[in-house]
Amino acid sequence: NAGVTQTPKFRVLKTGQSMTLLCAQDMNHEYMYWYRQDPGMGLRLIHYSVGEGTTAKGEVPDGYNVSRLKKQNFLLGLESAAPSQTSVYFCASSRRGYEQYFGPGTRLTVT
Amino acid sequence: DQQVKQNSPSLSVQEGRISILNCDYTNSMFDYFLWYKKYPAEGPTFLISISSIKDKNEDGRFTVFLNKSAKHLSLHIVPSQPGDSAVYFCAASVSGNEKLTFGTGTRLTIIP
Repeated sequence: NAGVTQTPKFRVLKTGQSMTLLCAQDMNHEYMYWYRQDPGMGLRLIHYSVGEGTTAKGEVPDGYNVSRLKKQNFLLGLESAAPSQTSVYFCASSRRGYEQYFGPGTRLTVT
Repeated sequence: DQQVKQNSPSLSVQEGRISILNCDYTNSMFDYFLWYKKYPAEGPTFLISISSIKDKNEDGRFTVFLNKSAKHLSLHIVPSQPGDSAVYFCAASVSGNEKLTFGTGTRLTIIP
């Protein structure tokens, strides 16, 4: 079992560029989540999904879009990157919505 | 509005002694609490949880205590080991709600 994997691990973008972060899980979990971690801010929820084809906004959704076309995948998109989106992004999945399993993270820098 | 607070950004403890990490919450609807541990360049990993119907849950060296009246929980690690050096996040949830609210984390350093 690979658990939760994230692609890519690192990325540098210029302001205004777009990109998609991919999260994949092989645990057959219904729920998936995208968080960002910033110094002194803890983990903040961007978007989440409670099942294939569903998405919902979290605490800090602005500037991001998500899609869950397949149960095992959850994509996070940045349409027009801004320096404020420089962060470490974590994907997580869970069966019951409580004990979430996290991926290794993607470090994104926007210049 | 920070609903889950970890007021100590860092903590240093001698190896073999007890480490106590604290967490306070403001939302009285929270009824499920978790602790996660995070090493540098890795994702957080689940450590231990507690439901509001209990006031203590133990798993090996780790014990979580919940004081509902004070809206306070703590994680005790006994004895502390060098491998426990990490950032610890407290998280809370409302039953039936899929979302977790995380604290800002406490960096624990175990001194050999």
